[in-house]
Amino acid sequence: SQQGEEDPQALSIQEGENATMNCSYKTSINNLQWYRQNSGRGLVHLILIRSNEREKHSGRLRVTLDTSKKSSSLLITASRAADTASYFCATDSGGGADGLTFGKGTHLIIQP
Amino acid sequence: GAVVSQHPSRVICKSGTSVKIECRSLDFQATTMFWYRQFPKQSLMLMATSNEGSKATYEQGVEKDKFLINHASLTLSTLTVTSAHPEDSSFYICSAQGLKNEKLFFGSGTQLSVL
Repeated sequence: SQQGEEDPQALSIQEGENATMNCSYKTSINNLQWYRQNSGRGLVHLILIRSNEREKHSGRLRVTLDTSKKSSSLLITASRAADTASYFCATDSGGGADGLTFGKGTHLIIQP
Repeated sequence: GAVVSQHPSRVICKSGTSVKIECRSLDFQATTMFWYRQFPKQSLMLMATSNEGSKATYEQGVEKDKFLINHASLTLSTLTVTSAHPEDSSFYICSAQGLKNEKLFFGSGTQLSVL
């Protein structure tokens, strides 16, 4: 099952603006990961945040994690047209064969 | 919603044997299927992209002869780990995408353990 739920399902913004996507989950986790998928391509890992971390940065990406609310956010600053893609959060509950549980994704469109 | 079925969910095999993993889209036609591998406590890593009726595109560092991918129909892709060794033990997951480049749907994964 896919316990991660991203919102919004779709987001369209102007180039240069910041884009924020949220992810909620239901069970306890070891870590939460964000992935990007360009059209017709496989997933690309963006960033991993562990359950004992609250915020993490990577370039223009900023991820927050609130385990009390079971939610995470991905912020992309100064968006570019090349950021247009679908973004997925995935939770790792450390269940061995359970692996990662992916959300349904947010489709982000950056208008030039 | 669309369902992707992956089988088996767990397999244990002896070193040197080959293991086939199936990925089926149950209620939609998947023109593209992706195969990923995840080592314990690490992120999912894309292995290859397969399009129905054509050869798979492998990511750098993934051995084509080691991981055979067949996407023979719009609803089925298979990954065969040939002559498996303990270092191939990992979690393998497939995902499928429909005709209109719709959202990605994931299988439940296969935990491979090679003894």
